Amino acid sequence: EVQLVESGGHLVQPGGSLRLSCVVSGFTFSSYNMNWVRQAPGKGPEWISYISRGGETTYYAEKVEGRFIISRDNAKNLLFLQMNSLRVDDTAVYYCARDFYQSVGSFDYWGQGTLVPVTA
Amino acid sequence: EIVLTQSPGTLSLSPGERATLSCRASQSVGGSSLAWYQLKPGQAPRLLIYGASSRASGIPDRFSGTGSGTDFTLTISRLEPEDFAVYHCQQYDSSRTFGQGTKVEIK
Repeated sequence: EVQLVESGGHLVQPGGSLRLSCVVSGFTFSSYNMNWVRQAPGKGPEWISYISRGGETTYYAEKVEGRFIISRDNAKNLLFLQMNSLRVDDTAVYYCARDFYQSVGSFDYWGQGTLVPVTA
Repeated sequence: EIVLTQSPGTLSLSPGERATLSCRASQSVGGSSLAWYQLKPGQAPRLLIYGASSRASGIPDRFSGTGSGTDFTLTISRLEPEDFAVYHCQQYDSSRTFGQGTKVEIK
């Protein structure tokens, strides 16, 4: 069974940093491109970052470019999101999501999310 | 950026009824690169439809997707109790953007 489990979300002050993790199981992690998607309260989901299977290629949404860093450890089945210079509008549930190989750009499996509240 | 606008915001229906959800794009979505997801509180989002009209693995055939270009539709032919949720469309032709969602609630 495919599983993705996020962790690391907690209350943080504006300007602070946080690292999220996503541990996966049930599939060959190194064979799949991965993403982070977030959903702010009352809003639709928002894609924020992508990393290729080997980790050599990364993309970011403009809103987080230069502040967030995506990475992965294929030996440990782990995906990471380092978030720096956090702002109030980064408050959201953060999901890791697997790229769907049959229709690249859509996401066939997601975790349940981890909440990141950014507030003073 | 391709903006997706979903309508209606909320759909109030009874089990057994048909639900028709709309997703309109601000510019043409190439390659039918459109997906639909079901979201429920505290659960992992679920891929329903990809490529505008292909059902994902394990998705019941009461869910169907149609459309191309700028207009897309998700239809649930007969609502089951577990179908009451929020549905979002997503395009992946130009970067990746989502619609704001349609909530299907019990009437």
